[in-house]
Amino acid sequence: QVQLQESGPGLVEPSGTLSLTCAVSGDSISSDKWWSWVRQPPGKGLEWIGEFYHNGHTNYNPSLQSRVTISIDKSRNQFSLRLSSVTAADTAVYYCVNNGYYCLEFWGQGTLVTVSS
Amino acid sequence: QSALTQPASVSGSPGQSITFSCTGTSSDVGSYNLVSWYQQHPGKAPKLLIYEATKRPSGVSSRFSGSKSGNAASLTISGLQAEDEADYYCCSYGGSGTYYVFGTGTKVTVL
Repeated sequence: QVQLQESGPGLVEPSGTLSLTCAVSGDSISSDKWWSWVRQPPGKGLEWIGEFYHNGHTNYNPSLQSRVTISIDKSRNQFSLRLSSVTAADTAVYYCVNNGYYCLEFWGQGTLVTVSS
Repeated sequence: QSALTQPASVSGSPGQSITFSCTGTSSDVGSYNLVSWYQQHPGKAPKLLIYEATKRPSGVSSRFSGSKSGNAASLTISGLQAEDEADYYCCSYGGSGTYYVFGTGTKVTVL
């Protein structure tokens, strides 16, 4: 079974860029699957951020599209999230996910990112 | 896109069955049989319970079942157990341009 582990800074300054990495084990990042990022502000609901396929195709949440980039590192079997121009509203637990058939099947444990000076 | 609408809270006694809804629009839930449901315990990552509106992944208890009619989907938990106390979220595919939209979440309390 695939396992995912998020990593990255837990604190980002306002107007800065949030950068997270998801290390994948138990499956190849180049397999016939989509991979997503989802976030959850403290005490609030889930929000899908975006997804990518190993051929480079990406889809993003329209509300975040102008600030989001998802990229892949096949040599390290990991993928990354970059979110620019962050504000306090971007404070959340960020999850990386291995998609199933139009669903979000396997989740990482999540990592809390706080936007604050 | 707007979040799908779920009741904020639902409660039931052990052994009972509860059902709660997830209401979307003709652009998401109504257009695709691609509704999924997730269970989330406090401080934990969500867990996939149902996909394609009615299908259960391997290892998920048969006490969880899903259905869909029109612009609304539902999750039923049968034989309610203390361990079922958690937050539950629905999610629907909304087509190219929208992709995935989550529900507002339902807190299930076992009395």
